[in-house]
Amino acid sequence: IQLTQSPSSLSASVGDRVTITCRASQGISNALAWYQQKPGKAPNLLIYAASTLQSGVPSRFSGSGSGTDFTLTINSLQAEDFATYYCQQLISYPLTFGGGTKVEIK
Amino acid sequence: EVQLVESGGGLVQPGGSLRLSCAASGFTLSDHYMEWVRQAPGKGLEWVGRSRDKGNSYTTQYAASVEGRFTISRDDSKDSLYLHMNSLRTEDTAVYYCARDRYSAGIYYKDYWGQGTLVTVSS
Repeated sequence: IQLTQSPSSLSASVGDRVTITCRASQGISNALAWYQQKPGKAPNLLIYAASTLQSGVPSRFSGSGSGTDFTLTINSLQAEDFATYYCQQLISYPLTFGGGTKVEIK
Repeated sequence: EVQLVESGGGLVQPGGSLRLSCAASGFTLSDHYMEWVRQAPGKGLEWVGRSRDKGNSYTTQYAASVEGRFTISRDDSKDSLYLHMNSLRTEDTAVYYCARDRYSAGIYYKDYWGQGTLVTVSS
């Protein structure tokens, strides 16, 4: 299963609303997770089961979608949110990742 | 507190072998699926493989790019997960992360990650 993330990068300002999409090449129900990765650090889980917020993750992060189309939304972008975001499908081997979306400061 | 600490990375020649370790603490290793994920320099994340839990006989799954060359094992008495890498290629150069799986909402997903260990395959 291939995952296509878009855009591959974006520039945004603090306070903006940011939307990242992840499209699967075939239906994966809600078996999708979103991770945030900062330079030199391990990925950090944000969302699992497409829309369930991981404990401790700020509520400005939200996920939606089912089947083939998924969205990660960051409401009111904060300085600490500038990072790269990856989706991953969790239903079929190999457990593929999307190519990543780098969120940069405008 | 859950902690995962990888070790064993380094410089190895093409065709060589290396064993990575992941020391787990703060949870019972045998109760969890565990995974390895890698990231080549400047690139995205690539899933390497998974070891299921004791209840599923520690069965494993691998990415096609490492199948037959890499093996995941574990020693629950030492709270450790391993990645045995043979016939290494230059394209295996990456930071390797171990991660713990958690089961919820009908799926397994990675809720804790180690800090990673760098493997460089070069002559």
